[in-house]
Amino acid sequence: DIQMTQSPPSLSASVGDRVTITCQASQDINNCVNWYQQKPGKAPTLLIYDASILERGVPSRFSGSGSGTDFSFTITSLQPEDIATYYCHNHRDLPHFGGGTKVDLK
Amino acid sequence: EAQLVESGGGLVQTGGSLRLSCFASGFAFSNYAVSWVRQAPGRGLEWLCAITGDGAITWYPKSAKGRFTISRDNSRSTLYLQMNSLRTEDTALYYCARDRRYPADIFDLWGQGTMVTVSS
Repeated sequence: DIQMTQSPPSLSASVGDRVTITCQASQDINNCVNWYQQKPGKAPTLLIYDASILERGVPSRFSGSGSGTDFSFTITSLQPEDIATYYCHNHRDLPHFGGGTKVDLK
Repeated sequence: EAQLVESGGGLVQTGGSLRLSCFASGFAFSNYAVSWVRQAPGRGLEWLCAITGDGAITWYPKSAKGRFTISRDNSRSTLYLQMNSLRTEDTALYYCARDRRYPADIFDLWGQGTMVTVSS
């Protein structure tokens, strides 16, 4: 199975800060990574798919990049409504989620 | 509006069984593969299984194979998850999710989840 190592597990940032989360795959998975946001008490929602494609309706401050084994997810200017846990998801072969990154306000 | 609504969760004793349902509306259900994903309290997401749009092919990780069975009834726009020999570690919120292109590729629509609690 392909494992996804996501970091950091949590972070605190101020409104307007740039936030970056990374995921490393245990082997080459091309661009088969998605990113989801999960707000407390809610189901996850899709933000980015195939490593860098912004889902329709998602604000442009969210972005993703990477290929092969190293991927990153960025919020260019953190907003209060972005407080959530973010997960990467590998869909090459058996799907696996990263462990999640909890983002809160400093 | 496309929507998924899970039901069937509850409290069950270890070793027991439960069948979850997920009703789809607002889109052509039979055109999509669908998956089950669970989340234990305070933990991350775990993909459990997927099924193709026509129900012909199912897919499980090793951890779910044998105890969990995914199925669907396209005439009822409903997805099912049969869970047997339940363990305390199966306690979780169970989500169904629509797969955009092929099984378990991109979860682009999620239900609100149904809670399963397994007690000893």
